[in-house]
Amino acid sequence: RKEVEQDPGPFNVPEGATVAFNCTYSNSASQSFFWYRQDCRKEPKLLMSVYSSGNEDGRFTAQLNRASQYISLLIRDSKLSDSATYLCVVTNYGQNFVFGPGTRLSVLP
Amino acid sequence: EAGVTQSPTHLIKTRGQQATLRCSPISGHTSVYWYQQALGLGLQFLLWYDEGEERNRGNFPPRFSGRQFPNYSSELNVNALELEDSALYLCASSLGGVPETQYFGPGTRLLVL
Repeated sequence: RKEVEQDPGPFNVPEGATVAFNCTYSNSASQSFFWYRQDCRKEPKLLMSVYSSGNEDGRFTAQLNRASQYISLLIRDSKLSDSATYLCVVTNYGQNFVFGPGTRLSVLP
Repeated sequence: EAGVTQSPTHLIKTRGQQATLRCSPISGHTSVYWYQQALGLGLQFLLWYDEGEERNRGNFPPRFSGRQFPNYSSELNVNALELEDSALYLCASSLGGVPETQYFGPGTRLLVL
């Protein structure tokens, strides 16, 4: 089993739709969690950190469920510019970052 | 504030040659990470340096090596290049020795012919 798993998609949604991505991780000792976005042929950029209490940044909401070992990202009112690959990232104290394979989102006009 | 920079942006080599890739972290960041992203695949962790020392290494053969200099910049060396080494090599930097938020450079595209 891979350490971090994501549904590869692609998710094709119309503008204005709400879309949710899930990510599961296998190491219960994982410490920190992030969502990154990567545009085609570009470097990954931090979207948001994920906290146990959940956090929101505008149209984006991230949730962490430690008991079930999954992280979610909700995007409301999708924009064309949200089209990208969304990477779930998990870190373990003293270890490296582990990136999931990414979920591709296409927002259609 | 300048972001993470990498050089060269593109590199073309032939099988068996050696490649050297360079990375300068964000000012004040002491940790540098290297990743390989082959076309259509996810990021694969290569190496993590902090305060000049190698902290962790991914599942790559020993011909992938690197170092971190006193100014925290870093080099990734790939010896005896193979065709499957063709990929985007990304460098990221962060604060401190504990994994913190990473900021990525634009990457070096390596093509092995």
